[in-house]
Amino acid sequence: DAKTTQPPSMDCAEGRAANLPCNHSTISGNEYVYWYRQIHSQGPQYIIHGLKNNETNEMASLIITEDRKSSTLILPHATLRDTAVYYCIVRVGPGSWGKLQFGAGTQVVVTP
Amino acid sequence: EAEVAQSPRYKITEKSQAVAFWCDPISGHATLYWYRQILGQGPELLVQFQDESVVDDSQLPKDRFSAERLKGVDSTLKIQPAELGDSAMYLCASRVAGGLANTGELFFGEGSRLTVL
Repeated sequence: DAKTTQPPSMDCAEGRAANLPCNHSTISGNEYVYWYRQIHSQGPQYIIHGLKNNETNEMASLIITEDRKSSTLILPHATLRDTAVYYCIVRVGPGSWGKLQFGAGTQVVVTP
Repeated sequence: EAEVAQSPRYKITEKSQAVAFWCDPISGHATLYWYRQILGQGPELLVQFQDESVVDDSQLPKDRFSAERLKGVDSTLKIQPAELGDSAMYLCASRVAGGLANTGELFFGEGSRLTVL
């Protein structure tokens, strides 16, 4: 599975949009981009995933560049409860047995 | 909402002792994972089961770690003997079997935090 690069940390003001970047320049054509987050002392939680089209759900939006070498997770209105480590992962598609390999992620701190 | 159950939530043990963790995945989830997470790092996959079979244990330190899922439902991860470097959070996750209809989402338990003294 391709490797990803994320900034180690970022701050965001409550109520503002949080834009979390991820580079995955070696992504293969059959690999998806997944985002998980981990709130302190809890297990990781699935947020969203996509292949090449932009995706949106009740938690976030995922913007994938046309060349698929990078993506951005957008939390539209950050709240204090969004403070967590966010992991960007690329892996072979949802129907496969491919394992999820986590990097160090981005520590996001939402401040009042 | 169905959850992945893990126990114990916390475990303190002395080095050279044996320790075991238990995981009960979401009902119907054929794939089960054990991850280890050292403080400040992302989770690292130790072992993956498909039903009762191991499909990936390449990162499992087999000299001291063992994992089983005898009936393809719940699973146990054992460490014997425990070492100081085993202090970590042990996370269990499950997902439905592969197939285009599912998202590939892993559901994680709250983890078992191990401290080895």
